[in-house]
Amino acid sequence: AQTVTQSQPEMSVQEAETVTLSCTYDTSESDYYLFWYKQPPSRQMILVIRQEAYKQQNATENRFSVNFQKAAKSFSLKISDSQLGDAAMYFCAYRRGSNYKLTFGKGTLLTVNP
Amino acid sequence: DTGVSQNPRHKITKRGQNVTFRCDPISEHNRLYWYRQTLGQGPEFLTYFQNEAQLEKSRLLSDRFSAERPKGSFSTLEIQRTEQGDSAMYLCASSTQVHNLYGYTFGSGTRLTVV
Repeated sequence: AQTVTQSQPEMSVQEAETVTLSCTYDTSESDYYLFWYKQPPSRQMILVIRQEAYKQQNATENRFSVNFQKAAKSFSLKISDSQLGDAAMYFCAYRRGSNYKLTFGKGTLLTVNP
Repeated sequence: DTGVSQNPRHKITKRGQNVTFRCDPISEHNRLYWYRQTLGQGPEFLTYFQNEAQLEKSRLLSDRFSAERPKGSFSTLEIQRTEQGDSAMYLCASSTQVHNLYGYTFGSGTRLTVV
């Protein structure tokens, strides 16, 4: 069974600084997708960034980028120029190939200090 | 695109009562998912619909749980004889075939508290 581990229950960052959230996963599949979702307090979960396993290039979305290390099964999220609105719970998630089910980690609560 | 709507946002119920939640997906999305999120955990898959057909149910979905999606539009999740362990956030998400290659659109969830 696939597992997703987020080893940092909480992280904090100063506004305008950079923070990296860690995620590792376990799978024997070669075709899969990885995601980072953001869940602000009392608000819906939104997709931040995704990575296809077959792509070697790390995904980037504006201030958000990932460091995808396939051999190490590591998928970290870097947030640059952190903003107060980035404060949220961040979940790393895995999906096998064309399967529809997401497997989530336990999440990392990010606090952004002004 | 009005997003995925879930009602109610919060529900407090006494142990043993039945509750029903509703999810209205994005209108053109034919795939609908229910997840459960307990405190300190990430969401866990409960069930999946493609149009009106329920194609998979997790082992987490005991016999007290039933989900429907009549006419392939909105979906309901009913919990009978609620237990304190049912207290959680129930998340609904939807997608199309194309979106499924990437990610879902989630609703804001229904938070259930069983007292």
